[in-house]
Amino acid sequence: QSALTQPASVSGSPGQSITISCTGTNSDVGGYNYVSWYQHHPGKAPKLLINEVNNRPSGVSDRFSGSKSGNTASLTISGLQAEDEADYFCSSYTRTSTLVFGGGTKLTVL
Amino acid sequence: QVQLQESGPGLVKPSQTLSLTCTFSGGSIRDSSYYWTWVRQYPGRGLEWIGYVYYTGSTYYNPSLKGRVTISLGTSENQFSLEVSSVTADDTAVYYCARDKRVKPKAIDFWGQGTLVTVSS
Repeated sequence: QSALTQPASVSGSPGQSITISCTGTNSDVGGYNYVSWYQHHPGKAPKLLINEVNNRPSGVSDRFSGSKSGNTASLTISGLQAEDEADYFCSSYTRTSTLVFGGGTKLTVL
Repeated sequence: QVQLQESGPGLVKPSQTLSLTCTFSGGSIRDSSYYWTWVRQYPGRGLEWIGYVYYTGSTYYNPSLKGRVTISLGTSENQFSLEVSSVTADDTAVYYCARDKRVKPKAIDFWGQGTLVTVSS
């Protein structure tokens, strides 16, 4: 199973909004509403931000939101804050009941 | 709050078997809602799903690992393990254990911090 495609890096200024894309195929992102997004500060455990495309687990800020169109899912972070600087990656369940991940996107808050 | 922690050797020689254990708190391996999962991250960021074990002992692996992987329940209710046989330098990665929720909302909801395993002579 090929990895999902994410931009290597994005950046934004405090208070701005940014969007990270995650592109797959009909066999994963496009075929199922089981896309998740994670925030990962190096050396720490990844943190679940979004599950099932647009669902925020309890305790996750409403500045994080998810969406999907066709084979591409997106994570939007609004009101950027310095602590949002981290790596972000997506995942999707696949038609073969495996999980596939994006390559990760490094967010820089300018 | 669920916490998971990987443990095991950080250096493995080529052709040998990599063995890691995941110890977690805040839950039981007998909880039927979860798959107990391993994921690895290669240098340069790419993540690969390795597979999982269910509380019944049933397993499911990434076909790309071609039979080299074994994930098993631990001897206690808060542990599970990973073995990768016949390792090469391509198996050098940060290995994460994680909890994958099999019922809605489906997602890996908790991860360990990861442990770096280097394959080198």
